[in-house]
Amino acid sequence: SQQGEEDPQALSIQEGENATMNCSYKTSINNLQWYRQNSGRGLVHLILIRSNEREKHSGRLRVTLDTSKKSSSLLITASRAADTASYFCATDAFGGGSEKLVFGKGTKLTVNP
Amino acid sequence: DADVTQTPRNRITKTGKRIMLECSQTKGHDRMYWYRQDPGLGLRLIYYSFDVKDINKGEISDGYSVSRQAQAKFSLSLESAIPNQTALYFCATSDFGFTGELFFGEGSRLTVL
Repeated sequence: SQQGEEDPQALSIQEGENATMNCSYKTSINNLQWYRQNSGRGLVHLILIRSNEREKHSGRLRVTLDTSKKSSSLLITASRAADTASYFCATDAFGGGSEKLVFGKGTKLTVNP
Repeated sequence: DADVTQTPRNRITKTGKRIMLECSQTKGHDRMYWYRQDPGLGLRLIYYSFDVKDINKGEISDGYSVSRQAQAKFSLSLESAIPNQTALYFCATSDFGFTGELFFGEGSRLTVL
C-alpha cells in the first residue's frame, strides 16, 4: 500500500537551529499533509500542500513538494524547545478521498535548550 | 472542552475481555475514523465512517468492530482482547470536502495483559 516514509527517524538539534524532515511516498497523490504529535498526545494538523503546489509556508514552517520525485520536506526555522515532537506526513490516493489518509512512521525531533 | 473526546484515556484489561472505546465530537463532521498507533509503525486505519449509515473497514479491522450511534458518536469494540492489541488508539474526524485535515482526539491507551 502507498505510504509516506519520513527521514530521518530521529533528529536532535539545538534551539535556534533549523530542522528539516523529509517524506517519500510511492504513488500519485492529491495532497500531502504534515502533522505534529507531542509525546502520547493526539496528532495536530500543521499544513496541507496540494499536488499542484510546490511550496507552502505557515509561520516558521515551510513545506515543499516534488511530485516528480514523490517527496516532500518540512522545514522548521529557528526551532524552539516546544517544537520537540514527532512529525508525520500523510498522503491520500489519487482519485481517493481524505478519509484514506495513510501516515508514515514519523520523525522524532528533539530540540535542546 | 475538546472538539474530539475519547474515553477512557487509559485502560488495562485482561486477555479475553470485551472492551469498548468511545469517541464523541462537537465539530459537526460527518466523517469519523479509528486509528491505531504502535511504536515504530505509525498510524494504521482500523475503521472509518462517512455518515451514520456508512461503515467501512480499514487496513487492520480484524478483531475489531465499530458502531456509529449518531453523527457525533463512533465507538470501537474489541470483542475478545488479546495482548497484541495493546496500543494507543485515536479517533479522528474530518469535514466533508477536500481539505483532508483530520482532527484527532487525545487517544486511548489500551493495555491487554
